[in-house]
Amino acid sequence: GENVEQHPSTLSVQEGDSAVIKCTYSDSASNYFPWYKQELGKGPQLIIDIRSNVGEKKDQRIAVTLNKTAKHFSLHITETQPEDSAVYFCAASGFLGQFYFGTGTSLTVIP
Amino acid sequence: DGGITQSPKYLFRKEGQNVTLSCEQNLNHDAMYWYRQDPGQGLRLIYYSQIVNDFQKGDIAEGYSVSREKKESFPLTVTSAQKNPTAFYLCASSFRRSETQYFGPGTRLLVL
Repeated sequence: GENVEQHPSTLSVQEGDSAVIKCTYSDSASNYFPWYKQELGKGPQLIIDIRSNVGEKKDQRIAVTLNKTAKHFSLHITETQPEDSAVYFCAASGFLGQFYFGTGTSLTVIP
Repeated sequence: DGGITQSPKYLFRKEGQNVTLSCEQNLNHDAMYWYRQDPGQGLRLIYYSQIVNDFQKGDIAEGYSVSREKKESFPLTVTSAQKNPTAFYLCASSFRRSETQYFGPGTRLLVL
């Protein structure tokens, strides 16, 4: 089955700096890659996603890049703010329609 | 309001007891999912359902059971066979298989 690895597990940045989280996947058939933000005690919320027919997608301060050849995709957050502090999960679609999740990155933005 | 609701927010289980977690959605989604989340780990799939009256085991189905009698509802029962049930349980739904999944607020299950 699919194996999704996510790095780093923890990340601390100063407010205003950029944060980058990277994920790799193993199944070349995966074609959909969502990113979720989870605040403490709450369910994950979709923040951005990308499909395999594009290499980059942006939404204000958030962007995702995808390299299908290398089987990796990354989340970029620019001009970080304290409210960006949360756990971020990447995911990759599986052949049967299920999703495989990374182990999460705990992001702390220091004011 | 459209969305996914889970109840209760906290649930306590006694030894040998079965407990049922509720998940309801009014998004008109065909597919629904149950995940288990443990500290420092990703989400692991317990069961999923693509359509009413049909469901499939995920990666960690042992000790759990589900039903899908209505499109809107996908309850999860944690049976006494699940020896380590303490976790955060998340329900999700999507319009169809492979489409974007949207999550509920979660239920935290604790063992007394």
